[in-house]
Amino acid sequence: EAGVAQSPRYKIIEKRQSVAFWCNPISGHATLYWYQQILGQGPKLLIQFQNNGVVDDSQLPKDRFSAERLKGVDSTLKIQPAKLEDSAVYLCASSSGTGDYGYTFGSGTRLTVV
Amino acid sequence: KNQVEQSPQSLIILEGKNCTLQCNYTVSPFSNLRWYKQDTGRGPVSLTIMTFSENTKSNGRYTATLDADTKQSSLHITASQLSDSASYICVVSLGEGNKLTFGTGTQLKVEL
Repeated sequence: EAGVAQSPRYKIIEKRQSVAFWCNPISGHATLYWYQQILGQGPKLLIQFQNNGVVDDSQLPKDRFSAERLKGVDSTLKIQPAKLEDSAVYLCASSSGTGDYGYTFGSGTRLTVV
Repeated sequence: KNQVEQSPQSLIILEGKNCTLQCNYTVSPFSNLRWYKQDTGRGPVSLTIMTFSENTKSNGRYTATLDADTKQSSLHITASQLSDSASYICVVSLGEGNKLTFGTGTQLKVEL
């Protein structure tokens, strides 16, 4: 079974620039999550999709972050404009649905804002 | 407030030795508890998942225990290897929505 694919693996941008991350979940997984993991901390949920609908985006800084999941498969997370404090690893995860224990993370995108 | 606390924050052991990592949680209602291993620069990988009714689960040299009454879990690593060097994260699932609450992790380093 192929895992959760994310790209790019690394990205360095200057503050106030924009950046986008891409995630391809495990085939058939209805639920997709984006997490932000700051160095030394556990992952923080940014947004959860169920198919192409948003289930939870309560911790997404909507003034600068946006995410979409067109057709209920791939997803993109965008930051515009970036701030220094956005430097983190952005993890994508997918699961087959509520109650499922098969929760799989991608390798993440490490973002550095300078 | 739902919280997951882990100890120690970091740990250094010699190759071949055993170690035990601790996790205390206040998440309610509890659904399941997971232990993940996260190598530097990689995403977390699941080691064990335990429901309320399970009190121990093994995965090779990793053995997790759960005491749902005291809301404590431990991860025991036997005969450690250099490749065990990583961050170990305790994650508790909240209720039916599968919402996860993450601990901050224990950073383990295994040395020769």
